[in-house]
Parts: sequence; structure tokens; C-alpha cells
Amino acid sequence: ILNVEQSPQSLHVQEGDSTNFTCSFPSSNFYALHWYRWETAKSPEALFVMTLNGDEKKKGRISATLNTKEGYSYLYIKGSQPEDSATYLCARPNDYKLSFGAGTTVTVRA
Amino acid sequence: GAGVSQSPRYKVTKRGQDVALRCDPISGHVSLYWYRQALGQGPEFLTYFNYEAQQDKSGLPNDRFSAERPEGSISTLTIQRTEQRDSAMYRCASSLVASGITDTQYFGPGTRLTVL
Repeated sequence: ILNVEQSPQSLHVQEGDSTNFTCSFPSSNFYALHWYRWETAKSPEALFVMTLNGDEKKKGRISATLNTKEGYSYLYIKGSQPEDSATYLCARPNDYKLSFGAGTTVTVRA
Repeated sequence: GAGVSQSPRYKVTKRGQDVALRCDPISGHVSLYWYRQALGQGPEFLTYFNYEAQQDKSGLPNDRFSAERPEGSISTLTIQRTEQRDSAMYRCASSLVASGITDTQYFGPGTRLTVL
């Protein structure tokens, strides 16, 4: 099991504001980092699979960067909307087993 | 297309009863995974199938837990003689290829198990 940490645990954002949060992971033997968005009572949505140092991926208003040398990834939400309210989890594979962080719960206030 | 489905979505049972949780993966996906998620935590790995073969069951907590995928598609996670500590969200995931580190694992909505 890999030690994957996310911070902050939760955050509140005003609608229209941008925000970001962190996923930290062991940098040794790195192959990939996965980001998911989890909403209550729904199937989790796969956002990104990131593999290369310096990678930056974007999906709509959500983007993520990756630093494999120092072992962190940032996820950014630009111009937050109420529908962005969810828990965002990152996971680092250890072979096929995903080791997840505890997530960052984002609440967007209208 | 259809995603990963799980049933039941909610299960309440009494301590000592057996429960069976079902996972229907995305059609054509080779790999199937079971995870368990405690409240406020990320999912933790339980077991992994490649087609019908159970390749790894190292995450199963004890011998009351078992899983099968007899025809390489639908999988069942069975918990015998349930205990209150088994209460959790049980999630199933599938991926297209076998043991793909960079392959996306698609998760189902989960089964919320409550043991009274």
C-alpha cells in the first residue's frame, strides 16, 4: 500500500472563484497517477491518468499538473460552479492496485 | 455505453448473516477489481480478477470474504457470518486490459453494506 495524501480535506469555494488542491505520493518507482471525481450516489468519474513529469491535462474547467520528481500533483478548478461540488480523489497504482488518498471535498457556494 | 453496475445499492443485514454483492463490469473489460471504502477514506483494494482467474486476493481481510468471477464477466463478493466491522461501501471497478497500470479503472456506484 502506497501512502497517498491529499490536502486540504475539504474546502468551500464561492461560485465563480478558482481553486486548487494537492495530492502527494511517493516519487520512487512512479508510473502513473489517477484523478477521480466522486459524487454521492453516483459512479465515480475518471478525470485524468497522468504519467509524465510536467504533464498537464485539462477537461473543461478542470486541469491537473504532475511533478513526479517531488511527488505531487495539483488539481485546479477554474471558475467553480455548483456542479463542481464533489470529492476529488487521486490514486497511485502499485501494480494494478490503486492506492487512494482520502480525497478533497469541494463545496461550491452559489 | 453502460458503465459498471452493482447490486444491491444498499444492503442492511443482521450480524451473522451471509451477504452476496454483485458486480456487472463494462462489457469486454478483462480486469475486475473489488475495493472497500470506509466513510471519509479512499477505497482500499480487496481482490483482482483477470478474466475468470482470481489473480490477487491479498486485500481480503479474512477467510469470511470470498469472490468469484466464474465466466469472466459478472463477479460476486460474498461475506459470510457478517460482523459490524464489515459495514462499509463496497466498490467494484473494471478496466479494459490486464494489469494495466495506466489503464483507467472504471468504478461502479457501490453497495452500501450496513451490518446491525
